[in-house]
Amino acid sequence: NAGVTQTPKFQVLKTGQSMTLQCAQDMNHNSMYWYRQDPGMGLRLIYYSASEGTTDKGEVPNGYNVSRLNKREFSLRLESAAPSQTSVYFCASRNFVLNEQFFGPGTRLTVL
Amino acid sequence: DAKTTQPNSMESNEEEPVHLPCNHSTISGTDYIHWYRQLPSQGPEYVIHGLTSNVNNRMASLAIAEDRKSSTLILHRATLRDAAVYYCILRDPSGGSNYKLTFGKGTLLTVNP
Repeated sequence: NAGVTQTPKFQVLKTGQSMTLQCAQDMNHNSMYWYRQDPGMGLRLIYYSASEGTTDKGEVPNGYNVSRLNKREFSLRLESAAPSQTSVYFCASRNFVLNEQFFGPGTRLTVL
Repeated sequence: DAKTTQPNSMESNEEEPVHLPCNHSTISGTDYIHWYRQLPSQGPEYVIHGLTSNVNNRMASLAIAEDRKSSTLILHRATLRDAAVYYCILRDPSGGSNYKLTFGKGTLLTVNP
């Protein structure tokens, strides 16, 4: 049982490049989330998916798109990366019964 | 959203109890109080949550004031592994499936050997 996995662990992009952050969970959770964490700050919600086939904006969605590919996978895409998107990105899924969110190990993204 | 206030940092000694406070004076009657912690270079992990009554689990205890305007996370015997940022978060369940958590800056707990 791997929990929530994220790829890649590290990535360096140049301004204007695009990339997709991948997230998968094997706990059969309906809800999944993408957060970003800037140095010294708490996590901020980018997008979430309450269930397969639905996605909604969070607090800071600008510059990002998401795809809920199936129940297991929730990807985050940066179409044209900017230095302001340098951050650590965390994916999470939610256990509906226990009301816990389970987080992945994070992707450290640097945009030059 | 109702906000929480936590000290920026706290320090403790190993094997001593730690009481991490959280103020939430604008809490609504339906807000749950959640605690998460984030170990260095890791994603956050769930610690405990409660509504009105005190709660215990294998990781910690949560003491909730009678007026619910404050709560305290209690680690009964701190270990070096408990050094982390602790987040106190209010969750409004009225969002239904739109369950969201809003993280503040949390409290950085340092545990001295």
